[in-house]
Amino acid sequence: NAGVTQTPKFQVLKTGQSMTLQCAQDMNHEYMSWYRQDPGMGLRLIHYSVGAGITDQGEVPNGYNVSRSTTEDFPLRLLSAAPSQTSVYFCASSVGVGGAQQYFGPGTRLTVT
Amino acid sequence: DQQVKQNSPSLSVQEGRISILNCDYTNSMFDYFLWYKKYPAEGPTFLISISSIKDKNEDGRFTVFLNKSAKHLSLHIVPSQPGDSAVYFCAAFAPDSWGKLQFGAGTQVVVTP
Repeated sequence: NAGVTQTPKFQVLKTGQSMTLQCAQDMNHEYMSWYRQDPGMGLRLIHYSVGAGITDQGEVPNGYNVSRSTTEDFPLRLLSAAPSQTSVYFCASSVGVGGAQQYFGPGTRLTVT
Repeated sequence: DQQVKQNSPSLSVQEGRISILNCDYTNSMFDYFLWYKKYPAEGPTFLISISSIKDKNEDGRFTVFLNKSAKHLSLHIVPSQPGDSAVYFCAAFAPDSWGKLQFGAGTQVVVTP
């Protein structure tokens, strides 16, 4: 049981490049979400999904896309990277929509130059 | 506009003494509160939670107190141990929020020998 896994751990992008951050969970959780962590800001919700085929925007969705084709996977796409997207990204999952106790992955540290 | 605020970015405490972390919130719809602990280069992990129908919840060395009228909660760690050195995030959840947690900015706790 690996829990929530994220790849890559580190990534450096140039402005304008695109990439996909991968997230997978093996706990059969319906709810998955993406957060970014910036100094002094805590964790802010980017996008979330309440089940396969259902996604919605969080607090800071601009510049990011998501899809949820399976229960296990929830990739986050950066369409055209900007320096403002330099951050640490965490994927999380929980049991059910009302499952506030979320399990987090180890994070992806992204730098956009 | 941050709905969950942790006004102390850092806290230094001696081993064996009590650590008190504070958290304030502005949204009266929040009915469930959580504390997460985060070590460097790892994702946050759930520590303890409290429902709005309670004013105290205890789990070993960790106790969370909720004062709904003041919209304030606190986390007490007694006694503090070196392994408690981490960033602690307060988070809140409203019943109709589709699992969207609101996080505070975090408090860095350093436990000194």
